[in-house]
Amino acid sequence: GAVVSQHPSRVICKSGTSVKIECRSLDFQATTMFWYRQFPKQSLMLMATSNEGSKATYEQGVEKDKFLINHASLTLSTLTVTSAHPEDSSFYICSARDNRGSWGYTFGSGTRLTVV
Amino acid sequence: RKEVEQDPGPFNVPEGATVAFNCTYSNSASQSFFWYRQDCRKEPKLLMSVYSSGNEDGRFTAQLNRASQYISLLIRDSKLSDSATYLCVVMDSSASKIIFGSGTRLSIRP
Repeated sequence: GAVVSQHPSRVICKSGTSVKIECRSLDFQATTMFWYRQFPKQSLMLMATSNEGSKATYEQGVEKDKFLINHASLTLSTLTVTSAHPEDSSFYICSARDNRGSWGYTFGSGTRLTVV
Repeated sequence: RKEVEQDPGPFNVPEGATVAFNCTYSNSASQSFFWYRQDCRKEPKLLMSVYSSGNEDGRFTAQLNRASQYISLLIRDSKLSDSATYLCVVMDSSASKIIFGSGTRLSIRP
């Protein structure tokens, strides 16, 4: 089945620094990947749609200059949280759909970001 | 109104019981529907797709009611391992993004 690898799984950083999260599709090509954020006891909220070779599409209320998305290849999308603040602490998850089948979306294992 | 709504629960039921969740969606043009399961602090995992004719996978049955714009998930003979949050997922009509419900927490007690 489709596998999406996400790294790192956990990161602690200081306020003001930047953190890069990688999302890779291991056995399929993903022209589109999605980035979600999940606060404790809340649902996943779509932040942006990452499109290979073009600019990402951000959801309303998500700052594109703060959450930089790069989708340079068919198997890799990155999310960089710039100038992180404690309120950015959250669980970030990427997902992609393997268009070869109809098995819904596959998720990365998530990245728990803590900004101190 | 939220695009996808679920009862957050928690549902606390004894092992062996049958439990059902509903999920309503607001966009009548939505085309694809899924149930995902999410364990605490883990990523969501696909449980099953939901087809118009309804579908069954072992103890799990999913149904879609387009007229009333809801989908349901029925779990029979519940196991302790079924304890999780169940997320209702709807794909929009352009198939460009998926929208999650807030999830229904299920706890199975011995």
